[in-house]
Amino acid sequence: DTEVTQTPKHLVMGMTNKKSLKCEQHMGHRAMYWYKQKAKKPPELMFVYSYEKLSINESVPSRFSPECPNSSLLNLHLHALQPEDSALYLCASSQARQGRGTEAFFGQGTRLTVV
Amino acid sequence: QQPVQSPQAVILREGEDAVINCSSSKALYSVHWYRQKHGEAPVFLMILLKGGEQKGHEKISASFNEKKQQSSLYLTASQLSYSGTYFCGTVYSGGGADGLTFGKGTHLIIQP
Repeated sequence: DTEVTQTPKHLVMGMTNKKSLKCEQHMGHRAMYWYKQKAKKPPELMFVYSYEKLSINESVPSRFSPECPNSSLLNLHLHALQPEDSALYLCASSQARQGRGTEAFFGQGTRLTVV
Repeated sequence: QQPVQSPQAVILREGEDAVINCSSSKALYSVHWYRQKHGEAPVFLMILLKGGEQKGHEKISASFNEKKQQSSLYLTASQLSYSGTYFCGTVYSGGGADGLTFGKGTHLIIQP
């Protein structure tokens, strides 16, 4: 099983809403990532968790709050987002950190629209 | 700093070959290649590490020139299924960074 599952697939939220994106993998991977991808652009790294500890926060606004409850799950909590935050949010996982040269498997993403 | 990919787009006939390049102004630890089809997740193709180690799909080949900080992805005898956007992602040496910095992508269209 090389699957990373993200829910929901689509999400529309207002600027005052609070919502969460979920990501799950059962490959025993110890590193998990959130990337943001705008249309026709490459994925941009947001957060890295390694062994359930946040190791990188790429200067992401505090309206995005990651959480890693256990080694299989990764959440992204959203609050007071702006329309420019509309994008495809991709979760990925890898056996070890990508800096160690291991391949990452991506989920299908959550397409977020902020209205 | 984002790696630079070239060309931006390629149109091929089925069966033709293509080379996609990725270069960095900073020393690289590894280069990762992904293909993404419209509306789908990026799919892993290849990793090339400093020191020569590489792993990936059998039908994909790539090179990593450590002196020039450049990597090339070679697509031979292209098939319709090769269409998509190809991204190189880089991990920089000495930065201790995890996660990838992706180039802007190369759009590949294969025509029958």
